[in-house]
Amino acid sequence: GESVGLHLPTLSVQEGDNSIINCAYSNSASDYFIWYKQESGKGPQFIIDIRSNMDKRQGQRVTVLLNKTVKHLSLQIAATQPGDSAVYFCAENVSKDSSASKIIFGSGTRLSIRP
Amino acid sequence: NAGVMQNPRHLVRRRGQEARLRCSPMKGHSHVYWYRQLPEEGLKFMVYLQKENIIDESGMPKERFSAEFPKEGPSILRIQQVVRGDSAAYFCASSRNRGDEKLFFGSGTQLSVL
Repeated sequence: GESVGLHLPTLSVQEGDNSIINCAYSNSASDYFIWYKQESGKGPQFIIDIRSNMDKRQGQRVTVLLNKTVKHLSLQIAATQPGDSAVYFCAENVSKDSSASKIIFGSGTRLSIRP
Repeated sequence: NAGVMQNPRHLVRRRGQEARLRCSPMKGHSHVYWYRQLPEEGLKFMVYLQKENIIDESGMPKERFSAEFPKEGPSILRIQQVVRGDSAAYFCASSRNRGDEKLFFGSGTQLSVL
């Protein structure tokens, strides 16, 4: 369902520490997942993606973990920097048509960096 | 190397007026998505279009909202007879092909209804 009227959960992390942002998804048939970063006043920016045939994928300073058993996705950011401050959204492709995409967003987590 | 362009950046309308939001996809992209975002919330899917065709409009309100993506020109999200509850940020995203899952987003249009 929709989280209408709820404030975004906030994760506060010390600069230089690792951040872990979690996301639960609902559609067990989804086979593609994405993490987006949204800075204030901007559109979402692609960070990293993962397909359901993988458990883990690494990028530059970021790692995505997928646990299909419990329908859980996480984003790990290594050595968090001030520029990482943003709202992070997980998203999934819920389309039943393999030739089309329907990307649905989760509710988001605000990452705040302490100096 | 322009990305997804949306205009206007900010749009103010009085109740009952019409709002037209424009989106030009990235060069070479023929598929467009529209999303709506309320403050402190995630993006809600509205509609998915390719040129001259609506692929999925399951997220569009049944009344007052329409979207098009003509053969030439930008995609338009049109809201007729706006109400205060329409106030939100509207984001457009594009992809190259049908089935492409990697979306590129514009900076959004902030609609304020007085």
